[in-house]
Amino acid sequence: DVKVTQSSRYLVKRTGEKVFLECVQDMDHENMFWYRQDPGLGLRLIYFSYDVKMKEKGDIPEGYSVSREKKERFSLILESASTNQTSMYLCASSLMGSSYEQYFGPGTRLTVT
Amino acid sequence: QKEVEQNSGPLSVPEGAIASLNCTYSDRGSQSFFWYRQYSGKSPELIMSIYSNGDKEDGRFTAQLNKASQYVSLLIRDSQPSDSATYLCAVPEGVRDMRFGAGTRLTVKP
Repeated sequence: DVKVTQSSRYLVKRTGEKVFLECVQDMDHENMFWYRQDPGLGLRLIYFSYDVKMKEKGDIPEGYSVSREKKERFSLILESASTNQTSMYLCASSLMGSSYEQYFGPGTRLTVT
Repeated sequence: QKEVEQNSGPLSVPEGAIASLNCTYSDRGSQSFFWYRQYSGKSPELIMSIYSNGDKEDGRFTAQLNKASQYVSLLIRDSQPSDSATYLCAVPEGVRDMRFGAGTRLTVKP
């Protein structure tokens, strides 16, 4: 079974803090993704990575950065958290190429106060 | 930007009925299509994939694909209350990305 894990299920941070969300997959997948999911807006892609040290912006990269130093690990960084970044953050991974299904981690519900 | 459209619902069906969930997509070049189920507060899980025109059956679930009409659907037979969830349609975009629909919320009433 594909396993994608995320560092926290729930996180509460203050405005202006730097926040790190980590994602690890154990299936040797090339692609990794970070999404946020908000009611009525569906899944929105923040960043994705198709190889170590490679990254591409998704639909809503502003206010976020990512790091992929190892194939199995993909980190999402909120440089200075703001209240409008309160959301559910989902990490996913897949084999190389968009034709392959994505497997999701359990999600991190982040609240910024 | 390619689009994936779903009726947001909510769709309500009685237990034992057939639930029909629909999805249209704009990219004529799409070759693979996925259905995910997401329970409230949980992450999406893959339940069906379909790659060629026609029907694909897996237990109580049937995915239907019509590439000419750019339409993919998911039928759930003998719906159960445990099927109550949001169903997301997903279509690959470009060579690396996946485009998700906003999801249809299904409620199966006992």
